[in-house]
Amino acid sequence: AQTVTQSQPEMSVQEAETVTLSCTYDTSENNYYLFWYKQPPSRQMILVIRQEAYKQQNATENRFSVNFQKAAKSFSLKISDSQLGDTAMYFCAFMKLRYTPLVFGKGTRLSVIA
Amino acid sequence: GAVVSQHPSRVICKSGTSVKIECRSLDFQATTMFWYRQFPKQSLMLMATSNEGSKATYEQGVEKDKFLINHASLTLSTLTVTSAHPEDSSFYICSASYGRANNSPLHFGNGTRLTVT
Repeated sequence: AQTVTQSQPEMSVQEAETVTLSCTYDTSENNYYLFWYKQPPSRQMILVIRQEAYKQQNATENRFSVNFQKAAKSFSLKISDSQLGDTAMYFCAFMKLRYTPLVFGKGTRLSVIA
Repeated sequence: GAVVSQHPSRVICKSGTSVKIECRSLDFQATTMFWYRQFPKQSLMLMATSNEGSKATYEQGVEKDKFLINHASLTLSTLTVTSAHPEDSSFYICSASYGRANNSPLHFGNGTRLTVT
């Protein structure tokens, strides 16, 4: 079974600064997909970024980028130029195949401070 | 815009009653939907996988007779919490895979906050 570990329960960052959220996972699969989801106080789950394991290039979405280290089974999220609206819970998630469920980490609560 | 619609967003019911939560895929067919449960300040825990036209697959520890799942059409899955008790109070959220690409992520409904009094 796959497991996802987020070792930082809470983090804070000053507005406009950069912050990195850590995520490691365990799997015996070679092909899989990794995601970061954001959950603001409204509790809506919002996709932030996705990464395919077979792609060596790290995914980037505007201010969000990942550092994907397949051999180390590490998938960290970097948020640049942090904004107050980035304050939320961030979940790292693993998906083995399409149409299979996501396995979530325990989440990291990020607070952006003005 | 939202691709998965979930209703109701909030429900309060008395202990012993049943509550139905609907999850609809908008403008696409979802042969598979997933139901998660989230306790306060915790992560999402998979409850069951809902398959159109067949029985749901429940995760270990989830009572299938308490949490009835019906996926009668390609756009609708329902979760019924039967004989609800206060310990069933939680946030329930459904999701479906949207898109044709293999890396299509799950899209989530906005969730249902259930309070059993």
